[in-house]
Amino acid sequence: AQKVTQAQTEISVVEKEDVTLDCVYETRDTTYYLFWYKQPPSGELVFLIRRNSFDEQNEISGRYSWNFQKSTSSFNFTITASQVVDSAVYFCALLVSGGYNKLIFGAGTRLAVHP
Amino acid sequence: EAGVAQSPRYKIIEKRQSVAFWCNPISGHATLYWYQQILGQGPKLLIQFQNNGVVDDSQLPKDRFSAERLKGVDSTLKIQPAKLEDSAVYLCASSLDRQINEQFFGPGTRLTVL
Repeated sequence: AQKVTQAQTEISVVEKEDVTLDCVYETRDTTYYLFWYKQPPSGELVFLIRRNSFDEQNEISGRYSWNFQKSTSSFNFTITASQVVDSAVYFCALLVSGGYNKLIFGAGTRLAVHP
Repeated sequence: EAGVAQSPRYKIIEKRQSVAFWCNPISGHATLYWYQQILGQGPKLLIQFQNNGVVDDSQLPKDRFSAERLKGVDSTLKIQPAKLEDSAVYLCASSLDRQINEQFFGPGTRLTVL
């Protein structure tokens, strides 16, 4: 069975702090994709990143970075020097290749960044 | 480029009433998805269309939910009759095709069933 666990329900930080959002996934397939989406108060899900199971290279995009570790089935997301605009719900999602393009989402982590 | 459009943004109905949601995907996107997002949970796929055909509706409660995409462009999702547990945000998304492409999401319709 495929499953995504985001154990942190809510995180509260003060602006400029670094924050890491955890994501643990379960799948028996060897080919899969992992995603992070941001859901601001407006409600739209905004795509942040996609990684495939064969590429464990970490990625950095501005203040965002992602750490993919197959050994622990984790795909964690770090925001450096957080800003108030980062306040949102963040979802990690899993897509297994070979079938339909079906995303399985975690329950999300609500991040509140205070000035 | 225009994004995924959805209407209405909010809807309040009483249980046993009917309701319909509309989605217009990004132009040229062949694949369209409807998700249900219950408060405090991640989105759950209800149905996926490839052009005007259904490719996955395994999680759609077919006794009360229906969806169509007749001309392979915009789509409607209907609930008839609604139950209290249908209160959720209904998200529409689209992607270029069924391959591993980024899904673009609309703003959603927040449904409250009283």
